[in-house]
Amino acid sequence: AQSVTQLGSHVSVSEGALVLLRCNYSSSVPPYLFWYVQYPNQGLQLLLKYTSAATLVKGINGFEAEFKKSETSFHLTKPSAHMSDAAEYFCAARGGGNKLTFGTGTQLKVEL
Amino acid sequence: GAVVSQHPSWVICKSGTSVKIECRSLDFQATTMFWYRQFPKQSLMLMATSNEGSKATYEQGVEKDKFLINHASLTLSTLTVTSAHPEDSSFYICSASSGDNQPQHFGDGTRLSIL
Repeated sequence: AQSVTQLGSHVSVSEGALVLLRCNYSSSVPPYLFWYVQYPNQGLQLLLKYTSAATLVKGINGFEAEFKKSETSFHLTKPSAHMSDAAEYFCAARGGGNKLTFGTGTQLKVEL
Repeated sequence: GAVVSQHPSWVICKSGTSVKIECRSLDFQATTMFWYRQFPKQSLMLMATSNEGSKATYEQGVEKDKFLINHASLTLSTLTVTSAHPEDSSFYICSASSGDNQPQHFGDGTRLSIL
């Protein structure tokens, strides 16, 4: 069975600072991994996905994530945070039947 | 592209009534749709998976008679919460995928409040 762990339920950064949201996965086979963003009272928007091609994946809004098999990690980064990045971020792994297993989410706060 | 529309976005109703939530894929054919439930400050929990023209597959612990799912066409799935009670109040989100190896695209969710 797959599992996804997001370390840090809340992350706070200053505007312009580096954003780092952590995600570790547990899977017996190479997983397909995703990062989604959720704004209040909205559904999820796909930021980026890893599908066993390039290990460094670039997504929308300046975000990127690096798949590291040795560390079973897929951390999300953005060089410079913007106020509009404040939201809930979910890491997810895809399993059989195209089902997604989500992490518990990380609330990103961006301060002036 | 890949737009999923969910309706209604908010619904408030009395205990005992049934509520229907619609999920539509606007610009692609969704062979599979997923229904999730999200409690405040928590992650998404998969309730059921529905394939067009087939019966939905429910996750363990989800009452199929309580949460009726219909996926009658490649662009529409509905979730009906039957005889809703306050404990059914939650944020319900659908997603749609055009195939096994395709990403899920999410609707904007439905906030259900049962009085």
